[in-house]
Amino acid sequence: SQKIEQNSEALNIQEGKTATLTCNYTNYSPAYLQWYRQDPGRGPVFLLLIRENEKEKRKERLKVTFDTTLKQSLFHITASQPADSATYLCALVLSNSGYALNFGKGTSLLVTP
Amino acid sequence: DGGITQSPKYLFRKEGQNVTLSCEQNLNHDAMYWYRQDPGQGLRLIYYSQIVNDFQKGDIAEGYSVSREKKESFPLTVTSAQKNPTAFYLCASNDRVGYTFGSGTRLTVV
Repeated sequence: SQKIEQNSEALNIQEGKTATLTCNYTNYSPAYLQWYRQDPGRGPVFLLLIRENEKEKRKERLKVTFDTTLKQSLFHITASQPADSATYLCALVLSNSGYALNFGKGTSLLVTP
Repeated sequence: DGGITQSPKYLFRKEGQNVTLSCEQNLNHDAMYWYRQDPGQGLRLIYYSQIVNDFQKGDIAEGYSVSREKKESFPLTVTSAQKNPTAFYLCASNDRVGYTFGSGTRLTVV
């Protein structure tokens, strides 16, 4: 069966450190992968997209890697801040389903001062 | 500002009632989606529409219905056939780059 797995445990880190979140998938051949941020009671907000032929993408303090051999994406937040505290969702986009998103359950990140 | 508007923010439904959740976008996106989110769970796809007057079932379509009469609007009806409708419902649209989500409707059965 198809699965998207993210760290089930919450990630607690100290301000200024780099947070690394993991997304693993099985039995998918995604066209591309996206990362979203979700705050409690709000809709997800798009952060980054990486295509299957790309190894790495950066946006300000964010970096995403995509290894289609390992079937894994890593999401990094450098110089983390308390305002980065949220749930981060990994989503795969399948080209054969209207480009609908298939989501992991998300990883909760808490950045403490 | 362009975006997606979902209403109402909170909705209470009695057993056996149908309710309709509104989703409107002014982003000129062709594709629109409905997701359901339960506590501690990922988002699950209910229905999606890639073009006006056309829509497809997602992974958990049973007990739900949609329409797409206008590009801007994609309402979701939660019917009495949906056995466990209490959840957070999210509408999204897509321009093949990033998805834009609405702020959600929290539906509770009373």
